[in-house]
Amino acid sequence: GIQVEQSPPDLILQEGANSTLRCNFSDSVNNLQWFHQNPWGQLINLFYIPSGTKQNGRLSATTVATERYSLLYISSSQTTDSGVYFCAVDGSAGNNRKLIWGLGTSLAVNP
Amino acid sequence: DTGVSQDPRHKITKRGQNVTFRCDPISEHNRLYWYRQTLGQGPEFLTYFQNEAQLEKSRLLSDRFSAERPKGSFSTLEIQRTEQGDSAMYLCASSLDRNEQFFGPGTRLTVL
Repeated sequence: GIQVEQSPPDLILQEGANSTLRCNFSDSVNNLQWFHQNPWGQLINLFYIPSGTKQNGRLSATTVATERYSLLYISSSQTTDSGVYFCAVDGSAGNNRKLIWGLGTSLAVNP
Repeated sequence: DTGVSQDPRHKITKRGQNVTFRCDPISEHNRLYWYRQTLGQGPEFLTYFQNEAQLEKSRLLSDRFSAERPKGSFSTLEIQRTEQGDSAMYLCASSLDRNEQFFGPGTRLTVL
């Protein structure tokens, strides 16, 4: 099955710094989603981005489907950005659109 | 629209007991997914429904687990004879057809 690798596994930033998180996947995908999991476990949708570039405030994402990777950019980081960032892909050939997940990047933003 | 909801948010039970969780998807979504997440891992797929039909089950879903979506709206996930290894966060997601999935807050299960 499809493999998803995220890097770095852990990241510590000072408030105001910028960062780039990477997601590599081993096969072609139908969909790709980025999530932020807060300390209470809630998964918050950030981007639905099977290809191309999207921006939402201080966050932006780019997926290069032909090269099998996606990047999440966080600019001017804030303490509330802390948590785990997951990339999840749907590589199914059939009707099931189950998501396959990476292990996440754990981000801590210090004041 | 209030998003995906799950109940209860937390459940502590003793080994051998049965537990049942409920998920209410976003109202117009026809697909509903269950995932399980353990500490330090990403979620893992358990099963999914399209309307009331359960179309796929993961090998992770042993015969102690059963899920239903009787009227194509809310879903329940039951675990019989719970084991300590069942301790995890159980996440429900919904989508409209094959589109973006949205997640509920999860039910955190602790089996003592």
